[in-house]
Amino acid sequence: EVQLVQSGAEVKKPGESLKISCKASGISLIFYWIGWVRQMPGTGLEWMGIIFPTNSDTRYSPSFQGQVAISADKSINTAYLQWDSLKASDTAMYYCVALPSATWRVDYWGQGTLVTVSS
Amino acid sequence: QSALTQPASVSGSPGQSISISCTGTSSDVGGYNYVSWYQQHPGKAPKLIIYDVSSRPSGVSNRFSGSKSGNTASLTISGLQSEDEADYYCNSYRDSGTQVFGGGTKLTVL
Repeated sequence: EVQLVQSGAEVKKPGESLKISCKASGISLIFYWIGWVRQMPGTGLEWMGIIFPTNSDTRYSPSFQGQVAISADKSINTAYLQWDSLKASDTAMYYCVALPSATWRVDYWGQGTLVTVSS
Repeated sequence: QSALTQPASVSGSPGQSISISCTGTSSDVGGYNYVSWYQQHPGKAPKLIIYDVSSRPSGVSNRFSGSKSGNTASLTISGLQSEDEADYYCNSYRDSGTQVFGGGTKLTVL
């Protein structure tokens, strides 16, 4: 069974840093793109960016370029999403997703990590 | 970067058919056959129901179908059932090597 298991919910203050994780089992990330999708409360899905762990090719959606960092460690089948300085507007559910290489469909979704940023 | 355009809501009665449109540009929907559709029930992660414009993943009901004409893709659900009530999102590959979602459509089964 394929699973993307994300790290648990976080409550942080504005200005703090954060790194959340997504560990894959049942698939090897060397054959998949891993993406991150944001869903703010009561709103739709937004692509943040994707990474191909095999060669670290990383692509950010324009709205998120410079705002977050996406990385991956293929040796432990894990991807990461990182913020250096959180804002209240970063409060959202974050999903990691897996797309088979040479396709552009999301076959697998993580369970989501809820990030709450509040003073 | 603009999201793809979807109607905010659609509704239909059980047994009826509905369609949801997804309009983009020649840089995304019109330029590639990489349109996919996702169904999301409240509090759940989305689920892939259509990929590459009109292909269905294994296990997805054949009541779901997809098509594309020019810069507009469409999802059709036939024989509406109560469990189809959910949010639906289209998605497309885009010129820049990234992807873009539609704004989402809430389907109500009357």
